[in-house]
Amino acid sequence: DADVTQTPRNRITKTGKRIMLECSQTKGHDRMYWYRQDPGLGLRLIYYSFDVKDINKGEISDGYSVSRQAQAKFSLSLESAIPNQTALYFCATAGTGATGELFFGEGSRLTVL
Amino acid sequence: AQSVTQLGSHVSVSEGALVLLRCNYSSSVPPYLFWYVQYPNQGLQLLLKYTSAATLVKGINGFEAEFKKSETSFHLTKPSAHMSDAAEYFCAVSRKTSYDKVIFGPGTSLSVIP
Repeated sequence: DADVTQTPRNRITKTGKRIMLECSQTKGHDRMYWYRQDPGLGLRLIYYSFDVKDINKGEISDGYSVSRQAQAKFSLSLESAIPNQTALYFCATAGTGATGELFFGEGSRLTVL
Repeated sequence: AQSVTQLGSHVSVSEGALVLLRCNYSSSVPPYLFWYVQYPNQGLQLLLKYTSAATLVKGINGFEAEFKKSETSFHLTKPSAHMSDAAEYFCAVSRKTSYDKVIFGPGTSLSVIP
């Protein structure tokens, strides 16, 4: 089984719908991140969390919210999806004190019509 | 603020030829630097990292990168390309004084021609 698991892997939805992407990890890491990948733009940070009580905005947090339900679980929500949120979303983890090395899930491809 | 640029969004090489993917960074403090690889329909995985030990860093699959502070560069090389090297490559930077976030470059897609 993968160390970092994302669900769903693919989702098609309509404008205005609420969407939740879930991430769970078995690495025992404290730090969890949500990135968005768009062609030509690389990965951009949406939100990150250092522990259950710590949530931080990244570069592009508008239109998104997150919840850290437990050390191992970090979910990303789009309250009212819009077409320009169509992208590939990645969850990643990092250990405390690590040199920034990230461990990624396999991604969730979201299409907003 | 940190940033990363990667020269060339797409690079094509012949099988057996040298692979050179360019990365330049800006950082207000000494950086950690990374190369990640993304194969089709997969997440990213670490290829190699620079954390202030040796400036020439060796990674998996025969790749290596050299940290050049004077040029603010961290270019990725491999002496002989294999077909299996075809993938998207991302350079990334984080600050040594803070582990809060890793900033990625826009990526370079590598094609290997038989």
